[in-house]
Amino acid sequence: DIQMTQSPSALSASVGDRVTITCRASQRISYWLAWYQQKPGRVPRLLIYKASSLESGVPSRFSGSGSGTEFTLTISSLQPDDFATYYCQQYNSDPYTFGQGTKLDIK
Amino acid sequence: QVTLKESGPVLVKPTETLTLTCTVSGFSLRNTEMGVSWIRQPPGKALEWLAHIFPNDAESYSTSLKSRLTISKDTSKSQVVLTMTDLDPVDTATYYCARASESCAGDCYASWGQGTLVTVSS
Repeated sequence: DIQMTQSPSALSASVGDRVTITCRASQRISYWLAWYQQKPGRVPRLLIYKASSLESGVPSRFSGSGSGTEFTLTISSLQPDDFATYYCQQYNSDPYTFGQGTKLDIK
Repeated sequence: QVTLKESGPVLVKPTETLTLTCTVSGFSLRNTEMGVSWIRQPPGKALEWLAHIFPNDAESYSTSLKSRLTISKDTSKSQVVLTMTDLDPVDTATYYCARASESCAGDCYASWGQGTLVTVSS
C-alpha cells in the first residue's frame, strides 16, 4: 500500500498568516492527490484534486502543488474559517490511502 | 444533486457482523462512471479508507481489513452495502460513504454522506 505522511501533525497560526502543509507519498503517485478540510463534527470537504486543481467553490487562497512523492497545500492568508484539520489522499492506485491529518489551530 | 445517506445499527456487540447501507440519489449506480467508497473515522482520529466498488463491480479493500470486509451494490435499490465481520471496540467510528467525483478524473470524493456513528461495545 502507498503510505501518506503529512507534516506537521499540528500547526498554530494567526489570521493573515501564510501556511504550508506537506504530504509525502511512499512511492510515486504522479499528480493523483487530493486535499480535504474537515471541521469538528462535519463531513470532509474536497479542496484540491489532481494535486493542484481547485474544487469549485473553494476560495482561491487555497492552492496545491507537487507531483511524484511530495506535495504541498498552501493557504495564502489564513481566515478564521480555515482553522480545521486537513487531510491528503492518494488515488493513484488502490487501495487508496489518507494521510494522518494536520490540525491547524489559532495561535 | 448527488446525495448519499448511510444507515445501519448504532450499537454492535464485539464479534458480531456489521452491515451498513449507503443509499444514493441524483445518479444511477447502474449507469455511472464513478465508484463509491466507504471511509471511517474513529472519534478524534484520522480518516481511514476501507473499500471501493468500481463501476464495473470490481472491488478494492484496505489491505489491513481485507479479510473482514465485503462491499457490494444493489443497483435496483440504489444502494451500496458494506459488511464487516468480527467487530472489536477499536472499530468504533463514524462510517462514511462517498462517491468518486468526475472532476477528480479518478477516485477522490466531492460527495459524502453525513456519516453514521457505530459503537462496538458489549
